[in-house]
Amino acid sequence: QVQLVQSGAEVKKPGASVKVSCKASGYTFTSYYMHWVRQAPGQGLEWMGVINPSGGSTSYAQKFQGRVTVTRDTSTSTVYMELSSLRSEDTAVYYCAREGSGLLRWDRLDVWGQGTTVTVSS
Amino acid sequence: QSALTQPASVSGSPGQSITISCTGTSSDVGGYNFVSWYQQHPGKAPKLMIYDVSNRPSGVSNRFSGSKSGNTASLTISGLQAEDEADYYCSSYTTSSSLVFGGGTKLTVL
Repeated sequence: QVQLVQSGAEVKKPGASVKVSCKASGYTFTSYYMHWVRQAPGQGLEWMGVINPSGGSTSYAQKFQGRVTVTRDTSTSTVYMELSSLRSEDTAVYYCAREGSGLLRWDRLDVWGQGTTVTVSS
Repeated sequence: QSALTQPASVSGSPGQSITISCTGTSSDVGGYNFVSWYQQHPGKAPKLMIYDVSNRPSGVSNRFSGSKSGNTASLTISGLQAEDEADYYCSSYTTSSSLVFGGGTKLTVL
């Protein structure tokens, strides 16, 4: 079945970087865009960025420009999200989510990973 | 990009219908039909309930429906059931080529 499996929880110190992985299975990896969304404790969802797994092109939320990098490895059907210069406000659950249309319309996130908790603490 | 505006909470009794609103601007909700709704139970990942304003993915109950008028989208749940108790989020494409979510609405089934 179609699924996204993310890497495990991380604890980082302020100023460090974190890299979260998202391994896709059950569908043609290069045919669907992949988004990253985060959720701080007790807060709502926040979009971070998107990648085209086929060509590797990316688009990021202005808030994270310069701090986030999304990449992919087509040989392992895995997408990565790296966030640098971490601060306490980056403590959140990070999700990868597939856009189900096969197009980039920033809509219809139909399959989600289980989430990766990133804790930033000194 | 400011978050879309949703009521913080709504409630209803089993069997009733409720509607959750999602208000944006002409730069997002009002300008495009790329509005989705997600259901999230505590400790779980969000689940897609509605996309393209009013389309239901396969497997989602027809008790869930979506609509839009001007800059406001709405999610209606009819025949409320206990398992519908969750947080609900709307999302929309924006003119800045990004995705914006609503602040979320907590649905309580009385």
